[in-house]
Amino acid sequence: EDKVVQSPLSLVVHEGDTVTLNCSYEVTNFRSLLWYKQEKKAPTFLFMLTSSGIEKKSGRLSSILDKKELSSILNITATQTGDSAIYLCAVENTGSARQLTFGSGTQLTVLP
Amino acid sequence: NAGVMQNPRHLVRRRGQEARLRCSPMKGHSHVYWYRQLPEEGLKFMVYLQKENIIDESGMPKERFSAEFPKEGPSILRIQQVVRGDSAAYFCASSYGGNTEAFFGQGTRLTVV
Repeated sequence: EDKVVQSPLSLVVHEGDTVTLNCSYEVTNFRSLLWYKQEKKAPTFLFMLTSSGIEKKSGRLSSILDKKELSSILNITATQTGDSAIYLCAVENTGSARQLTFGSGTQLTVLP
Repeated sequence: NAGVMQNPRHLVRRRGQEARLRCSPMKGHSHVYWYRQLPEEGLKFMVYLQKENIIDESGMPKERFSAEFPKEGPSILRIQQVVRGDSAAYFCASSYGGNTEAFFGQGTRLTVV
């Protein structure tokens, strides 16, 4: 069974801090790893990572995959209160269906 | 281009009633996925559908749950004879193809009383 573990479970920082969220996984046949931001209700897509060592960047957010270590990190620099959310990591295997296995998420709280 | 649309946003059903949750994928997307998020738990995969076909329903409970994605119209997740344990947020996601990122709807919060 595929498994995703995220750490820390929760994190409280102040505006301007830089945070690193971790995701480790066990998957039978890896296809991709995805990061989502969940505020209130809907998870919104952040990144899809398929290749090891290639950093993906979007504004203050960046993410990189390490297939050797079976892990990924999500970095957020110069955090803002609007970054407060649950950050979800999910992995997808190469099975016949695009079945995502999610971690339990990291609850990030950014204080003013 | 509207995002993934789910309705209703909130649904209250009494035990034993039926719940129908609708999901309209993003324009041009033909792949739909349903997930359930129970309180204090992460998102759990339920079913993956393409137009008129169920590709993978390995995450669906064996009884009372069914899903469809007809040629015309939204995808429907149907829960018959609901029980309290069905109370959860149900999310739908859609993607253009099998290898592209999936975008989520706002979810339907089902409460069984």
